[in-house]
Amino acid sequence: AQKITQTQPGMFVQEKEAVTLDCTYDTSDQSYGLFWYKQPSSGEMIFLIYQGSYDEQNATEGRYSLNFQKARKSANLVISASQLGDSAMYFCAMREGGNQFYFGTGTSLTVIP
Amino acid sequence: DAMVIQNPRYQVTQFGKPVTLSCSQTLNHNVMYWYQQKSSQAPKLLFHYYDKDFNNEADTPDNFQSRRPNTSFCFLDIRSPGLGDAAMYLCATSRDAGLAKNIQYFGAGTRLSVL
Repeated sequence: AQKITQTQPGMFVQEKEAVTLDCTYDTSDQSYGLFWYKQPSSGEMIFLIYQGSYDEQNATEGRYSLNFQKARKSANLVISASQLGDSAMYFCAMREGGNQFYFGTGTSLTVIP
Repeated sequence: DAMVIQNPRYQVTQFGKPVTLSCSQTLNHNVMYWYQQKSSQAPKLLFHYYDKDFNNEADTPDNFQSRRPNTSFCFLDIRSPGLGDAAMYLCATSRDAGLAKNIQYFGAGTRLSVL
């Protein structure tokens, strides 16, 4: 089974609107971390936001927030007030207790002026 | 300032000609990773070092080797590049293996072309 599932290959959003990128995960561990990365066309993977499995509150970092629903095993990324520079690939990832990070297949976000 | 630095950003090599990609870090992280990423795909882990301990993924071809002479540097050697090895190669680091909260930081990547 896939550890991380991103079901939206591509998404479009109007500039200044909010958008939600979906991510579901599969783990039997109690302790795990969930991450979102942004990858512009230049190729660099940029860390955006982290959510720990024991964190009771949803993580927020500026315009990014993570809608964490533990029982449903989902960790959706919400980008508020979209900007043209937000156009990129977005990857959801999970780390359990070891060294390995598991990545989803990514969502390509296009912000429309 | 860049914390994970990859050189070069773009590398062109010939079919079968050995090539080395380099990665350095200023974070003093004990875990370093090499990923291969092909167009529109997720990064694929090739191997990682936890300090000097080398951990190879089961499906990483023997054509790919790695060296980590010290904490700061890690190299990816492709012994005989094939056309299928053309990809983006990403280096990443992380602190304190075993803790789920530790973030993985990436370099800007090296885009490899094989002619």
